[in-house]
Amino acid sequence: GQNIDQPTEMTATEGAIVQINCTYQTSGFNGLFWYQQHAGEAPTFLSYNVLDGLEEKGRFSSFLSRSKGYSYLLLKELQMKDSASYLCAVPSGNTPLVFGKGTRLSVIA
Amino acid sequence: DTGVSQDPRHKITKRGQNVTFRCDPISEHNRLYWYRQTLGQGPEFLTYFQNEAQLEKSRLLSDRFSAERPKGSFSTLEIQRTEQGDSAMYLCASSDDRYYEQYFGPGTRLTVT
Repeated sequence: GQNIDQPTEMTATEGAIVQINCTYQTSGFNGLFWYQQHAGEAPTFLSYNVLDGLEEKGRFSSFLSRSKGYSYLLLKELQMKDSASYLCAVPSGNTPLVFGKGTRLSVIA
Repeated sequence: DTGVSQDPRHKITKRGQNVTFRCDPISEHNRLYWYRQTLGQGPEFLTYFQNEAQLEKSRLLSDRFSAERPKGSFSTLEIQRTEQGDSAMYLCASSDDRYYEQYFGPGTRLTVT
């Protein structure tokens, strides 16, 4: 089966940096995804990592270590609109994507 | 392209009734996915299609659930004899053959009373 762990909730201050961690267990690895989901809305794609290392995309960066089964999403210069759930997901066997439960991030002034 | 659309956006039904949801994917996408999401959880995979072929079904998809994509374009998800436990957001997503980037629709929120 597939096991994905991420913190349930995090709080950070506007303008700060926050790191959201994700650990996963999989028998075969085909990449790791991060999605953002605002309350009451659909998830939107943020990033995809298949190789080890850091990938930067504007204020958001995503890191992967395949040997450790670990990834993190780094959000810089936090804005109030970044308050959302952040979902870590991996393919597993014949299942296209298995999602974690998500990390609910609250950005406060 | 206006993205993935789903209809209806909200559905309230009584226990035991049948409901059907529709999803229209992004037109050039040949893969279509159905997920279910409850409060505080991530989306749970239900099933997916490549063109009109249904390639995978989750164990979550009991025999009361059926999905079709008859012409490889839009898809329908039917739930028969609804139960209160079926109350959830039903999300549809689509992608091209590089399935890693799935585009989600706004979802259909089902409430079973």
